[in-house]
Amino acid sequence: EPEVTQTPSHQVTQMGQEVILRCVPISNHLYFYWYRQILGQKVEFLVSFYNNEISEKSEIFDDQFSVERPDGSNFTLKIRSTKLEDSAMYFCASSLLTGGGGELFFGEGSRLTVL
Amino acid sequence: EDQVTQSPEALRLQEGESSSLNCSYTVSGLRGLFWYRQDPGKGPEFLFTLYSAGEEKEKERLKATLTKKESFLHITAPKPEDSATYLCAVQLNFNKFYFGSGTKLNVKP
Repeated sequence: EPEVTQTPSHQVTQMGQEVILRCVPISNHLYFYWYRQILGQKVEFLVSFYNNEISEKSEIFDDQFSVERPDGSNFTLKIRSTKLEDSAMYFCASSLLTGGGGELFFGEGSRLTVL
Repeated sequence: EDQVTQSPEALRLQEGESSSLNCSYTVSGLRGLFWYRQDPGKGPEFLFTLYSAGEEKEKERLKATLTKKESFLHITAPKPEDSATYLCAVQLNFNKFYFGSGTKLNVKP
């Protein structure tokens, strides 16, 4: 069964360092997303991406965040200068459609720990 | 302000003891309501999509229903392997989803 894969599963970094989280969405999906979940809190929307550009982003997704689809399979989230409060589980998701049938399929997540 | 509220926050059941989880929403322009299951340290796993009031979906021991204000996830004769956090999410304009805080279900043998 096709699945969304994410790497790394866990990354520990120092405050102020740059981090890149990688995702391989399901191959025929068209919409890509990043969500995050701080321990014990809600799953929060960060950004959606379609047709090689950001289609929507939340207020969390400020200038320190960026996304890229560098080739036909990878989708990356870059955090330019990490802060302690960026520590969370980051989930990549993809969907085939939006609206009807637009359920999201999530990866297993990348746990980011900022020290 | 758009809101998604799930209740209860936690639910402990004996194996075989049926119950329901609630997801209430106050959003405008609902495009769909989604139920997910999340195991500890894992990503949410898709269960159901509901689009209109009166719609019902079933999968094994789970049944999801939708009204204009809320959705229920009914669990019939649960087993320990049903223990997980159940999340609901509402889809608003385009491809933005808002998640509730979840209900943590614990089914004891």
